[in-house]
Amino acid sequence: GAGVSQSPSNKVTEKGKDVELRCDPISGHTALYWYRQSLGQGLEFLIYFQGNSAPDKSGLPSDRFSAERTGESVSTLTIQRTQQEDSAVYLCASSLVGLVAFFGQGTRLTVV
Amino acid sequence: KQEVTQIPAALSVPEGENLVLNCSFTDSAIYNLQWFRQDPGKGLTSLLLIQSSQREQTSGRLNASLDKSSGRSTLYIAASQPGDSATYLCAVKGKSEKLVFGKGTKLTVNP
Repeated sequence: GAGVSQSPSNKVTEKGKDVELRCDPISGHTALYWYRQSLGQGLEFLIYFQGNSAPDKSGLPSDRFSAERTGESVSTLTIQRTQQEDSAVYLCASSLVGLVAFFGQGTRLTVV
Repeated sequence: KQEVTQIPAALSVPEGENLVLNCSFTDSAIYNLQWFRQDPGKGLTSLLLIQSSQREQTSGRLNASLDKSSGRSTLYIAASQPGDSATYLCAVKGKSEKLVFGKGTKLTVNP
């Protein structure tokens, strides 16, 4: 595709439910990032994938958060047993290593 | 641990003014620095990327400089327009490959 695509664009879920967020990176981009942006806060790094290397999971806030990426394509971010503090915009980006990072429009997650 | 600070947090200027946004980072061992803009409710749009070996990059009315040794970058916007109103974010990439972001400068250009 022409850009990074994220789905859904909006998600409202009940506390305690699991959610899955999807990111389709730009074709050929080996690097993929997930970030979280809470209201009025900066971007918080969650996880980074680079090719077939082990992902950098150092930003995942708890073991309720996990992410997968199949090869150099789609990535999914899963949040189990959602809590109200998980409400945020989840942003995905992709790039060629060392070059410009392109961001998707984000998924706005609201936990009620 | 890399920390990125952006000053000011907010800036309001009349149309036509030239302005400078500042970004500082604590660890000078970076690979590159990137400036983004974010419009309300939207994702991030890349404006300029400066590699660690470069001193500046220009795109149209935007000019970004990098002084790696002092841990500083500036984004210069010439002849500002109301359409430039947005939040501007600075991000640095180090050995860990992840981008570390500042909290941004919210710019308002008044007609």
